[in-house]
Amino acid sequence: KNEVEQSPQNLTAQEGEFITINCSYSVGISALHWLQQHPGGGIVSLFMLSSGKKKHGRLIATINIQEKHSSLHITASHPRDSAVYICAVGRGAQKLVFGQGTRLTINP
Amino acid sequence: EAGVAQSPRYKIIEKRQSVAFWCNPISGHATLYWYQQILGQGPKLLIQFQNNGVVDDSQLPKDRFSAERLKGVDSTLKIQPAKLEDSAVYLCASSLGRRSYEQYFGPGTRLTVT
Repeated sequence: KNEVEQSPQNLTAQEGEFITINCSYSVGISALHWLQQHPGGGIVSLFMLSSGKKKHGRLIATINIQEKHSSLHITASHPRDSAVYICAVGRGAQKLVFGQGTRLTINP
Repeated sequence: EAGVAQSPRYKIIEKRQSVAFWCNPISGHATLYWYQQILGQGPKLLIQFQNNGVVDDSQLPKDRFSAERLKGVDSTLKIQPAKLEDSAVYLCASSLGRRSYEQYFGPGTRLTVT
């Protein structure tokens, strides 16, 4: 079993829908990251959080430390949100352990 | 501020050939990471440098992969000889170190081994 599990693995939705991607982890962490990867490979950090909730534009990330669970929400989704979203947890010595990613496709 | 630079962006080689990737991290970043990302999976850490010293290379297949960061800045990752299963995107990332978990990723090199 992977230390970091994401669901769903693939998600297709219509423009404007509310999107939720889930991440569960099984180990103690220092911080949790949500990353975005567009076709072509480049990865961009969206959020780093260790408690509570963070919001940036239409993106919201929450974490429940007791339940070892985090969610990434996208409100009013748009085709340009189509990408792979990756959850990663911080472990000792500045190390990240990655989930397998969720491929999101938003259709116009 | 310039980001993490990688080259080449794409490489196609035949199995048993050799290949090398180059990474230039963000200026001042002490920690440098090489990841392997196979299609449909998350990145897997191959090696982590702190300045020019190796912090973790436990998942680096040392019979065929090698990496160096001689002056604590640029880094190269080499595969010799390549196998079909090495086809992947190789990502370089850097961070300030000093307990910072914020990593900045390069665009990656897509390697196809035929």
